[in-house]
Parts: sequence; C-alpha cells; structure tokens
Amino acid sequence: ELVMTQSPATLSVSPGERATLSCRATQSVSNNLAWYQQKSGQAPRLLIYGASTRATGIPARFSGSGSGTEFTLTISSLQSEDFAVYYCQQYNDWPRTFGQGTKVEIK
Amino acid sequence: QVQLVQSGAEVKKPGASVKVSCKASGHSFASYYMHWVRQAPGQGLEWMGIINSSGGSTSYAQRFQGRVTMTRDTSTSTVYMELSNLSSDDTGVYYCARDAVGATSWFHPWGQGTLVIVSS
Repeated sequence: ELVMTQSPATLSVSPGERATLSCRATQSVSNNLAWYQQKSGQAPRLLIYGASTRATGIPARFSGSGSGTEFTLTISSLQSEDFAVYYCQQYNDWPRTFGQGTKVEIK
Repeated sequence: QVQLVQSGAEVKKPGASVKVSCKASGHSFASYYMHWVRQAPGQGLEWMGIINSSGGSTSYAQRFQGRVTMTRDTSTSTVYMELSNLSSDDTGVYYCARDAVGATSWFHPWGQGTLVIVSS
C-alpha cells in the first residue's frame, strides 16, 4: 500500500505569515495528488488537484507544487479562516490513501 | 450545484450493522463513481471503497473486505454503505464523496458526514 506522510504534524503560524506543508509518497504518484482542508466538525473540502490546480472558488493564496514523491502546499498569507487540518491524498494507485494530516494553528 | 446529503447519526450495539445513505443532486448521478471514507474520532481519513456509476462493480479496502457492502439506487440518486459486525473501533464519521472524473481522480464534493457510534 502506498503510504503518504505529511510534515509537520502541527504548524504554528501567525496570521499574515506564510505556511508550507509537505507531503511525501513512498512511491511515485506522478501528479495525481490532491489537497483537502478540513475545519472542525466539517467535511473535507477540495483545495488542489493534479498537484497544482486550484479547485473552483479556492483563493489564489493557496498553491500546490511537486510531482513524483514530493509535494508542497503553500498558503502565502494565512487568514483566520485558514486555520484547519490539511490532508494530502494520492489517486494514482489503489487503495486511495491519505496523509495523516497537518494541523495549522494560530501562533 | 452538486450536493451530497447523507443520512443522520446512528447509534448501534456491537455486532449490529449500519446502513448509511448518500443522496446526490445537481449532477448526472448515473455518470459518477462514488467513494466512502471513514474518520475515527480525532483521527485522519481512511478510504473504504468505491462503487461504479451503474452499481454493478465495487472495490473495497482490504480491512473492510467481508464487512462492507456498497450499493446504489439510480432511481433515487442514492448510494448506500452498509457495514456489518460493528465494534467500537467502527465509531466515527462516514463520508461519501464523488470521484470527480470516472474512478481516476480526486474527491469532490463530499457529503456532510454521518456519525456512527458503536456502544453497548
């Protein structure tokens, strides 16, 4: 099974600062990688697909990069509504697998 | 606007079964594959399985094989996930999610989630 590992587990950031989240796969997933945001008590929401394409309605401060086994989600200037848990997910192989999540909290 | 609306919270006893529904609106239901994802309390997301657009084919994660059954009713645009022989480890929120493109892509949108509590 393809394992997705996210780092760090928790990221403490001040509003307005930049946040960089990492996701690593145990084997290449090409660019078949999505990022989701999950706020407390809510369902996950798609942010990025194809490693770097923003989903409809997602602000430009969210950007994704990478391919193969190394991926990054960057939030250029954190807003109050961005404090949440972020998950990466590969859809290159079966079973579909998620990273364990990175919690972005207010510093 | 595509929307997935799931059934309400359930409380079950160990050994029982639960059946969660997910009703779709705003898109051509019959064209899309659907996934189910579980989230244990305070934990991450775990893929459970997928059902194809016609309902004739399913694929389940190894750990749920033999206990999970996914079905769909195209007449009501609803998919179902039934999990049997429940234990306390099955407590969590269950989400349905549409595969955006066939069975080869990201999950969007997601249902609001259904809380299942297994307790004696």
